[in-house]
Amino acid sequence: TQLLEQSPQFLSIQEGENLTVYCNSSSVFSSLQWYRQEPGEGPVLLVTVVTGGEVKKLKRLTFQFGDARKDSSLHITAAQPGDTGLYLCAGARVDSWGKLQFGAGTQVVVTP
Amino acid sequence: GAVVSQHPSRVICKSGTSVKIECRSLDFQATTMFWYRQFPKQSLMLMATSNEGSKATYEQGVEKDKFLINHASLTLSTLTVTSAHPEDSSFYICTATGSRGSSYNEQFFGPGTRLTVL
Repeated sequence: TQLLEQSPQFLSIQEGENLTVYCNSSSVFSSLQWYRQEPGEGPVLLVTVVTGGEVKKLKRLTFQFGDARKDSSLHITAAQPGDTGLYLCAGARVDSWGKLQFGAGTQVVVTP
Repeated sequence: GAVVSQHPSRVICKSGTSVKIECRSLDFQATTMFWYRQFPKQSLMLMATSNEGSKATYEQGVEKDKFLINHASLTLSTLTVTSAHPEDSSFYICTATGSRGSSYNEQFFGPGTRLTVL
């Protein structure tokens, strides 16, 4: 059972479109990270959110942490082919020092 | 960010042999390292937590006698897959946390090791 429910599992869009990936849980997290992973490589950290209600922007990517620190979203504006990859959310639970719980991942494909 | 390396990056072995994977923190002291396993098109599953100088803590369902973890120094943890079988073929990733990073115990990822057992 995934503690972090990530949706959708797969997303195929055209270049220029927007997309949103969601990460939901019934658990409270002290922090939540978003990663992007390319095939055959380790995940690369995109952002960490730690404060309930926090919104972080990274160029065309907007990350939001829920007020209760149980959920998060990643929104990409005007997606580009270079945004293609596996997006993973991972939360550090308040009662499990250091351990990250990963969502199932969202495979995003952006076609030109 | 901090650098974590893994060696080897790829390994192919025969069924029944043992394989050792190294995880090194190159520019910081890693008091804790985590080992994950990732099957194709799936997410990362935590296998064990490795604290320097103590025994690893394994997640439920992970055989500690099959996946031997040693964290003998603040910069090196090793994962040995003993008597490997084809079902052990996977992408193994380590992360390290310690003297680098912020107060929220940021983890730094290694590049992963692709294990293929024939």
